[in-house]
Amino acid sequence: KAGVTQTPRYLIKTRGQQVTLSCSPISGHRSVSWYQQTPGQGLQFLFEYFSETQRNKGNFPGRFSGRQFSNSRSEMNVSTLELGDSALYLCASSLNTGSNTGELFFGEGSRLTVL
Amino acid sequence: QKEVEQNSGPLSVPEGAIASLNCTYSDRVSQSFFWYRQYSGKSPELIMSIYSNGDKEDGRFTAQLNKASQYVSLLIRDSQPSDSATYLCAVNIGSYKLIFGSGTRLLVRP
Repeated sequence: KAGVTQTPRYLIKTRGQQVTLSCSPISGHRSVSWYQQTPGQGLQFLFEYFSETQRNKGNFPGRFSGRQFSNSRSEMNVSTLELGDSALYLCASSLNTGSNTGELFFGEGSRLTVL
Repeated sequence: QKEVEQNSGPLSVPEGAIASLNCTYSDRVSQSFFWYRQYSGKSPELIMSIYSNGDKEDGRFTAQLNKASQYVSLLIRDSQPSDSATYLCAVNIGSYKLIFGSGTRLLVRP
């Protein structure tokens, strides 16, 4: 069974640009969560999607957005990039059969560097 | 106050010893709790989940939950150098939101 696939794995952007990251969940998983990981802040929750609906979002500015498609694949977008957006962006999928589920399977991440 | 708190470590233990990792959380309505392991340069992987008070054992790992004290811990018996990693405590605070602590770095000395 293929794992969570994230693309691209590495990317370098300059301030003011925008970026789109993609995530393909494990087959059969309908929930996709996104996290930002930095050395100083750890893993910070961005948002969670299920059946194309955003069910929750973290405390990030509106520059961070996401969506989920009917095949459960998800994208996140960051517009007007700032230096502080440099981070590892992790996507995780789960079966999420109930609101208590936290059994996530993470992809390898997309490492974004903003210059 | 952070929602999930962990001592950043490093926690250094000799090979064969018991490593004890602790986590406290602030939201009393939290119902499910998880431990993830993250090796350097890798993504987090789930190693334990616990949903009710008490102990849950899986091989060399034991998760302990005390909801009254808002405390969850992970014990690793017979620690091995391969257990050296960062251990992340995660709490489901409801509404499909899983919050992670900043992690405790564990070093197992051969």
